[in-house]
Amino acid sequence: SQQGEEDPQALSIQEGENATMNCSYKTSINNLQWYRQNSGRGLVHLILIRSNEREKHSGRLRVTLDTSKKSSSLLITASRAADTASYFCATYLNAGNNRKLIWGLGTSLAVNP
Amino acid sequence: SQTIHQWPATLVQPVGSPLSLECTVEGTSNPNLYWYRQAAGRGLQLLFYSVGIGQISSEVPQNLSASRPQDRQFILSSKKLLLSDSGFYLCAWSVNSRSYGYTFGSGTRLTVV
Repeated sequence: SQQGEEDPQALSIQEGENATMNCSYKTSINNLQWYRQNSGRGLVHLILIRSNEREKHSGRLRVTLDTSKKSSSLLITASRAADTASYFCATYLNAGNNRKLIWGLGTSLAVNP
Repeated sequence: SQTIHQWPATLVQPVGSPLSLECTVEGTSNPNLYWYRQAAGRGLQLLFYSVGIGQISSEVPQNLSASRPQDRQFILSSKKLLLSDSGFYLCAWSVNSRSYGYTFGSGTRLTVV
């Protein structure tokens, strides 16, 4: 079963606007990761945020994590047409020797020029 | 530097034919290796993962199998393809998912006709 659930499922914005995507999960995690996937391509790792961290930045990306609400958000500031892609969250659980990520279904972002 | 190679990029195979997809990793040792399938517009479904040579964990009972004959080689196979095996197959590797994200290959688009 899916651990992460992103919302919205789809988002369409104008270039220059900010895009916010959310991810909720169900069980205790070790970390949460965000990935981008351009159409027909492999996924690219964006940011990893640990359970003891609340916010992390990378360029125009800002990720927050609220473990009390079991949720995370990805903010892309000053969006560009090249940011058009699907964005996935994935959680790495705190369960023993578990070595796999649990994936959400993704948010499809369209940035219109 | 670390890279991952996955081939072929696209494949059209008749129902009942065999399948062999190969993934190789360079620049790292003893990686965790993963095979995922992604249906159109959907999230990732973990098929197999491997923590070492000859060690394969299957996540979903299906018409597919995986093997890891060498440390940095991961092969996805089928003896007889079904129509339902169509999809986008992704190979990935990780070293330490507590600290680092996954690196994905570019994917194989498989169409079973």
